[in-house]
Amino acid sequence: DTGVSQDPRHKITKRGQNVTFRCDPISEHNRLYWYRQTLGQGPEFLTYFQNEAQLEKSRLLSDRFSAERPKGSFSTLEIQRTEQGDSAMYLCASSPSSYEQYFGPGTRLTVT
Amino acid sequence: GENVEQHPSTLSVQEGDSAVIKCTYSDSASNYFPWYKQELGKRPQLIIDIRSNVGEKKDQRIAVTLNKTAKHFSLHITETQPEDSAVYFCAASSQTGKLIFGQGTTLQVKP
Repeated sequence: DTGVSQDPRHKITKRGQNVTFRCDPISEHNRLYWYRQTLGQGPEFLTYFQNEAQLEKSRLLSDRFSAERPKGSFSTLEIQRTEQGDSAMYLCASSPSSYEQYFGPGTRLTVT
Repeated sequence: GENVEQHPSTLSVQEGDSAVIKCTYSDSASNYFPWYKQELGKRPQLIIDIRSNVGEKKDQRIAVTLNKTAKHFSLHITETQPEDSAVYFCAASSQTGKLIFGQGTTLQVKP
């Protein structure tokens, strides 16, 4: 499968724990985006990378959230001290330019 | 701030009829307008897109129109089929590629 992949697909964690998600983009795509989607809503932008540089972060991304793309390939999104309000689907998308974005299957996070 | 409004929130049509979903954006710097289809529990799938230098684009049964002056763009699906049933999202982006999504339209096509 040459599409965007994400791991894990599901994560259940207790409030206060740290979690980390991984995204593997389509190999030739230099742009990588993270979004969060809650039930019944459209995806909300969190952050994006061009190669290894993180170029924009949403105000939604509190200090508890951090993202990296160390070698310009895969990316990780970490949430520290999770809260119940962090429960959502975390989507990753990759793009060869500032246009078409292709989404991964998402990581569904449940914070109990 | 950046905002995309999408209407209607739900749409029910008979198989074979047409469906139209409309979006309005606020950021005049927006230059790219994709449409995504999302089935329950699945990833958003890019179905068609349009760039700001084009007024209309068609791909088989789906078409998108853009009115930059009015900051409106629309998705048109003709000869709807039950497998078109899904949630459809419009989005707008500018140079960074950051997508601002509408609230979504749940389309139901009745056989």
